[in-house]
Amino acid sequence: GDSVTQMEGPVTLSEEAFLTINCTYTATGYPSLFWYVQYPGEGLQLLLKATKADDKGSNKGFEATYRKETTSFHLEKGSVQVSDSAVYFCALKKGSARQLTFGSGTQLTVLP
Amino acid sequence: GAGVSQSPSNKVTEKGKDVELRCDPISGHTALYWYRQSLGQGLEFLIYFQGNSAPDKSGLPSDRFSAERTGGSVSTLTIQRTQQEDSAVYLCASSLAQGQTDTQYFGPGTRLTVL
Repeated sequence: GDSVTQMEGPVTLSEEAFLTINCTYTATGYPSLFWYVQYPGEGLQLLLKATKADDKGSNKGFEATYRKETTSFHLEKGSVQVSDSAVYFCALKKGSARQLTFGSGTQLTVLP
Repeated sequence: GAGVSQSPSNKVTEKGKDVELRCDPISGHTALYWYRQSLGQGLEFLIYFQGNSAPDKSGLPSDRFSAERTGGSVSTLTIQRTQQEDSAVYLCASSLAQGQTDTQYFGPGTRLTVL
């Protein structure tokens, strides 16, 4: 079945450091790919998405590119802030399925 | 506009009791989903409603779990005879059901603790 594998956490960075959170997926066909973020005490929020190969999703300084050849959708940010501390979830959705399939989540802590 | 709302935000119950969790989706969203977020299992799909169609119950872990959606809007997830392994955060999401590119919007969740 479909699955999403995320980089194990937790990840701790200093403010202004470069961030990469790896995400790879296993699915037949061409799923849509998503990154969701969960800030402390809050619900899941969509951060960005990409719906076809080579698409780049971006939002709030975060970017991720849909790489079909490596089945990856790595999340990057050039300079993280303390306010980016949260749990990040990679997810996929195929047209034939109604629900999202999530990775296990990566806890990010950014220190001042 | 208003997002997805859920109530209660926290629920503590004793093993064996029944609980009801409520979800109010975004107005106009025809699709509604329930997920469960637990430490050992991550985020799991439970059930999906789309308009007046029969719900997709394929993710429900046992027959103690059921859900309904009245009038195509509010949904209630019911867990009967709760067990300690039911302790988790129950998340509701809604969407416009636009196929593969559809974006799901999540509520803040209900944290259920079964003692």
